[in-house]
Amino acid sequence: SQQGEEDPQALSIQEGENATMNCSYKTSINNLQWYRQNSGRGLVHLILIRSNEREKHSGRLRVTLDTSKKSSSLLITASRAADTASYFCATDKGTYKYIFGTGTRLKVLA
Amino acid sequence: KAGVTQTPRYLIKTRGQQVTLSCSPISGHRSVSWYQQTPGQGLQFLFEYFSETQRNKGNFPGRFSGRQFSNSRSEMNVSTLELGDSALYLCASSSDRAANEKLFFGSGTQLSVL
Repeated sequence: SQQGEEDPQALSIQEGENATMNCSYKTSINNLQWYRQNSGRGLVHLILIRSNEREKHSGRLRVTLDTSKKSSSLLITASRAADTASYFCATDKGTYKYIFGTGTRLKVLA
Repeated sequence: KAGVTQTPRYLIKTRGQQVTLSCSPISGHRSVSWYQQTPGQGLQFLFEYFSETQRNKGNFPGRFSGRQFSNSRSEMNVSTLELGDSALYLCASSSDRAANEKLFFGSGTQLSVL
């Protein structure tokens, strides 16, 4: 399988804490994206990081990319109950298809 | 701008039947991708179309097919349905996949095969 893998599969934290989830992939990439999915709905784009970038920020989100280790991490700071969702990484080699990871289910407790 | 629209939202079919799902991309978007999502397998890429041409295809049997029309709307068809085809089918659009842009997803069609 060429799918990426997120780690952990599930994460439960208290509101206000930080949440970190990791993504590993198998082949060289052009870019890596993170998406959020609320239960049973479509995915929403969060952030894109290109292969020549190492870190990117967007609001409470911080993404890092280590191409030598073929891994990325997503940090959500000061989490809120509304952040409860599944988070997926997706990699692109420029072949017109994205390979999605298996997802991390995040639960933020109020 | 209206988002990506997928119809129908829910569908119940029996084994052996065929089904057609529809996707209307965001206005101006010419790339449409389809994904199958199941609890056990996550999101699996089905195919991607750009200006009515299929540019890439995932590892699915020939029972899964798709097409794109001149107005960028896309349909996917699954023939001879099997129980394992029960899944959430997601459509995503982008303006130009070659530019590695982000995908905009529809809410999906939940297909149940009985």
